[in-house]
Amino acid sequence: GAGVSQSPSNKVTEKGKDVELRCDPISGHTALYWYRQSLGQGLEFLIYFQGNSAPDKSGLPSDRFSAERTGGSVSTLTIQRTQQEDSAVYLCASSPWTGTYEQYFGPGTRLTVT
Amino acid sequence: QQPVQSPQAVILREGEDAVINCSSSKALYSVHWYRQKHGEAPVFLMILLKGGEQKGHEKISASFNEKKQQSSLYLTASQLSYSGTYFCGTESLGGKLIFGQGTELSVKP
Repeated sequence: GAGVSQSPSNKVTEKGKDVELRCDPISGHTALYWYRQSLGQGLEFLIYFQGNSAPDKSGLPSDRFSAERTGGSVSTLTIQRTQQEDSAVYLCASSPWTGTYEQYFGPGTRLTVT
Repeated sequence: QQPVQSPQAVILREGEDAVINCSSSKALYSVHWYRQKHGEAPVFLMILLKGGEQKGHEKISASFNEKKQQSSLYLTASQLSYSGTYFCGTESLGGKLIFGQGTELSVKP
């Protein structure tokens, strides 16, 4: 079946503009995660959705970052007033449930803030 | 909160073995291992669960010491295709997965 998809694959934006990144998880997966990976760095946890529970937003670096998940499926990560330090690859992953199941990663969105 | 991986990098010749370690300061429910090749998304290798259950690829082996909150990934008879960055992810209370900084593995002919 189809894997996790993300769009756009690349985004170049000017400092101060808002951006929206989209993630389409695997159908039926209840858990959805957003990670950020800066060049040569590890996977930084941003936010985690599990079913209808309130999301775990503990990894969002500032209040410029927000995310929502509509209908338990598609998720959008929004970054307001982008800064150069926001430049990174943003990865989305989904999982049938939490913890005891593997995560399936999307190809990522490469964000460049000029 | 972030698990600590060691070593940070390792270079092997084909056929050599390597061990990658992952250590957490928190009680763990599970440990995940993923491999990421340059420019690609991370790919699942293995999950080790509290209580001893493991799920993953047959050719990969790993251990999970629950009392010490440590896990090790064993790569034996390495192949060129094993090259990449290996991440451990740890799950504590709440279900979210926190990844370590990664171990870069290079396998040379």
